[in-house]
Amino acid sequence: QSALTQPPSASGSPGQSVTISCTGTSSDVGGYNYVSWYQQHPGKAPKLMIYEVSKRPSGVPDRFSGSKSGNTASLTVSGLQAEDEADYYCSSYAGSNNFLCVFGTGTKVTVL
Amino acid sequence: QVQLVQSGAEVKKPGASVKVSCKASGYTFTSYYMHWVRQAPGQGLEWMGIINPSGGSTSYAQKFQGRVTMTRDTSTSTVYMELSSLRSEDTAVYYCAREYSSSSLDYWGQGTLVTVSS
Repeated sequence: QSALTQPPSASGSPGQSVTISCTGTSSDVGGYNYVSWYQQHPGKAPKLMIYEVSKRPSGVPDRFSGSKSGNTASLTVSGLQAEDEADYYCSSYAGSNNFLCVFGTGTKVTVL
Repeated sequence: QVQLVQSGAEVKKPGASVKVSCKASGYTFTSYYMHWVRQAPGQGLEWMGIINPSGGSTSYAQKFQGRVTMTRDTSTSTVYMELSSLRSEDTAVYYCAREYSSSSLDYWGQGTLVTVSS
């Protein structure tokens, strides 16, 4: 099982929007509505930002939104703020006992 | 509040084993699956496996089959991840993380750095 594919980097100015893609296969992203997104600041543990494609945990700003079409999921960060600069990882349930969860390659978001 | 507190950093020689602990508090330990995820220096996240703290059943990523063992102690609300036959490529930060729903991980430990070096 291969990692989900994300662009290495994305950027935007404060107040703008940035969208990150996450491409998998019909065995993971396309097969289940169980895509999650994580934000990771340097030296910190990842933080859950989106689960089940588009749901936000309590406390996550509504500037963060998720969607999915076919084998590709997307995370959009609207109204970019300086604190949004971080690495972002997608993940998907993959349904196999030996590969229940697969992560994306990660995207570094830079706020210009 | 939910907390996952992991054991401290380890330095191991190639071929040795390491056992990392993750103590849970603030919720019913047996009600949530626990995952282990690792991150090599400057690299992405890699899923290692999952344990059901209730019954102790496990599933491991194929890459780690035969080298990883995940266990739990319900009396102390602690899960353990043991990785054997360590090699330099196993140098990474190891995280435990609680599953909220189908592989979405809502609480993470602080991470444990394992360094494998001769």
